[in-house]
Amino acid sequence: DAGVTQSPTHLIKTRGQQVTLRCSPKSGHDTVSWYQQALGQGPQFIFQYYEEEERQRGNFPDRFSGHQFPNYSSELNVNALLLGDSALYLCASSSDRTSYNSPLHFGNGTRLTVT
Amino acid sequence: AQSVTQLGSHVSVSEGALVLLRCNYSSSVPPYLFWYVQYPNQGLQLLLKYTTGATLVKGINGFEAEFKKSETSFHLTKPSAHMSDAAEYFCAVSEKAGTALIFGKGTTLSVSS
Repeated sequence: DAGVTQSPTHLIKTRGQQVTLRCSPKSGHDTVSWYQQALGQGPQFIFQYYEEEERQRGNFPDRFSGHQFPNYSSELNVNALLLGDSALYLCASSSDRTSYNSPLHFGNGTRLTVT
Repeated sequence: AQSVTQLGSHVSVSEGALVLLRCNYSSSVPPYLFWYVQYPNQGLQLLLKYTTGATLVKGINGFEAEFKKSETSFHLTKPSAHMSDAAEYFCAVSEKAGTALIFGKGTTLSVSS
């Protein structure tokens, strides 16, 4: 049973560029959340997608946007990259139907470096 | 607003010694509490969680944590450290199931032989 898979694993971009990160949730999960983890910090919540809609959003600018597809996979898009966007981006999935007892399952993340 | 404070960014113990990682939270409502572990170049793995019920929660790899409402704490313990426990540990809180987790800044656990 595959867990949460993220691609790519590493990415280097230049300031001002745009980037798309991808996530496939664990089998049976329908909810996808994205977190940003800066070096030496805990993860920070970006947003959560359920039924192809953004259900909850953290304190991130509009440059951060996302999408969820009918197969529950998700993309995170970041426009106009800043140096401060360099971080590990973590995708986590869960089941909304069993959310009470369904903890988040995290992928191994995408390491984004902005130069 | 919810917040999580992990006391001690770095904890060092000897193999076989007690592990104690501290976590205090602030929440306006009864929280859901979690401990996650992160190994280098990996995502986060759930160690244990508290939702309701028994305040002493047992998790994987011999870890446990106790929810103390009066102290707003959820400290993580393990009676005997193993070299493989060396990792980054994160305490997290959420207001209700399925919603965003608020993480602490993490505690790096080092285990020496």
